[in-house]
Amino acid sequence: EVQLVESGGGLVKPGRSLRLSCTASGFTFGDYAMSWFRQVPGKGLKWVGFIRSKPYGGTAEYAASVQGRVTISRDDSKSIAYLQMDSLKIEDTAVYYCARRELYSDYWGQGTLVTVSS
Amino acid sequence: EIVMTQSPATLSVSLGERATLSCRASQSVSSSLAWYQQKPGQAPRLLIYDTSTRATGIPARFSGSGSGTEFTLAISSLQSEDSAVYYCQQYNNWPPWTFGQGTKVEIK
Repeated sequence: EVQLVESGGGLVKPGRSLRLSCTASGFTFGDYAMSWFRQVPGKGLKWVGFIRSKPYGGTAEYAASVQGRVTISRDDSKSIAYLQMDSLKIEDTAVYYCARRELYSDYWGQGTLVTVSS
Repeated sequence: EIVMTQSPATLSVSLGERATLSCRASQSVSSSLAWYQQKPGQAPRLLIYDTSTRATGIPARFSGSGSGTEFTLAISSLQSEDSAVYYCQQYNNWPPWTFGQGTKVEIK
């Protein structure tokens, strides 16, 4: 069974950093690109970015709204994808989801809430 | 950035009746269109990808159609468990991938 579990969310002050983790199981992690999305509670879904699998270069792509403040990485030996968020802003407050694949996403984690507030 | 517009915002349908949801793209996305279902407090669930291909385990009452800029998700016979918000997403032109604002399906 494919499972994705996000962790690392919480309350953080503006300007600080936070790293989210997405631990995968039930599939060969290294064979898949991994994506991150976010959703302000009660609002719609926004794409944050994705990281390709190593056979496809292992490079990442980002939404313009987070470009330069966000880094997606992966550790295939641990089956974990990371979302490093720096210089956090109040408007980054959202539930963050990781998901499998980079075009459409067929499996999603349950999400982790990030609250940016002073 | 491609803007995805869904209509209606809310759809009330009786059990067993057909529900039809629309999604319009501001420019052609070819057939690179997915539909997701999201229930309160849950993660999105992939229903349809490549406009009309059902994801693994998705019941046959869900179907997708369209191309270019106009797309439709149909639920042929609405069940109580289909009450949710439905989102369309394009993955033809990036960055970014973009979603519609969602259609809430209610049981009448």
